[in-house]
Amino acid sequence: EAGVTQSPTHLIKTRGQQATLRCSPISGHTSVYWYQQALGLGLQFLLWYDEGEERNRGNFPPRFSGRQFPNYSSELNVNALELEDSALYLCASSSSGQRLRRGNEQYFGPGTRLTVT
Amino acid sequence: AQKVTQAQTEISVVEKEDVTLDCVYETRDTTYYLFWYKQPPSGELVFLIRRNSFDEQNEISGRYSWNFQKSTSSFNFTITASQVVDSAVYFCALSDEGRIKAAGNKLTFGGGTRVLVKP
Repeated sequence: EAGVTQSPTHLIKTRGQQATLRCSPISGHTSVYWYQQALGLGLQFLLWYDEGEERNRGNFPPRFSGRQFPNYSSELNVNALELEDSALYLCASSSSGQRLRRGNEQYFGPGTRLTVT
Repeated sequence: AQKVTQAQTEISVVEKEDVTLDCVYETRDTTYYLFWYKQPPSGELVFLIRRNSFDEQNEISGRYSWNFQKSTSSFNFTITASQVVDSAVYFCALSDEGRIKAAGNKLTFGGGTRVLVKP
């Protein structure tokens, strides 16, 4: 069974540009989560999508946004990039946490390393 | 508010030694879930275990074992007879029910413990 996939592996952008990161969940999973792992800040929850809707977001500004497509894949967009947005962005998927029991384990992809210069 | 504390930032051991990673959590909910993940140098987080708040049984899986103590809000992880391949950063995480139904599925991570196993 294929795991969570993310693209691209690396992304280099300059300040002020926009970045788009993509994630494909494990087959059968409907929930997709995004986390940011910045140096010195640990792993922080960004966004949760389930059944095509945004269910929850962490303490990040509105320039971090995303969406989930009908096939449950997801896209994270970061507008007006700032130097501190440089980080490893991890996507995870799980079976639905909205209707079924919560606390389902989340399976992570390899991440996209975003560098803002 | 949820919080996970991993007081040990880095542990260095020699191969075949045992190593225990501490995890202390805070939550106001009675139903919650605890997790351990491993992050090798490649960067991908690997799921190791999930525990719910009603199951205090300790668990052993090969060289890995977990000790969940609700009374001290701790969920510690021991690697027995460590090997070089165990070198990684290990994260403890918490997911609780949340007061808002939709809020209950995010993971709150501890700061991680880097384990270095030397040959």
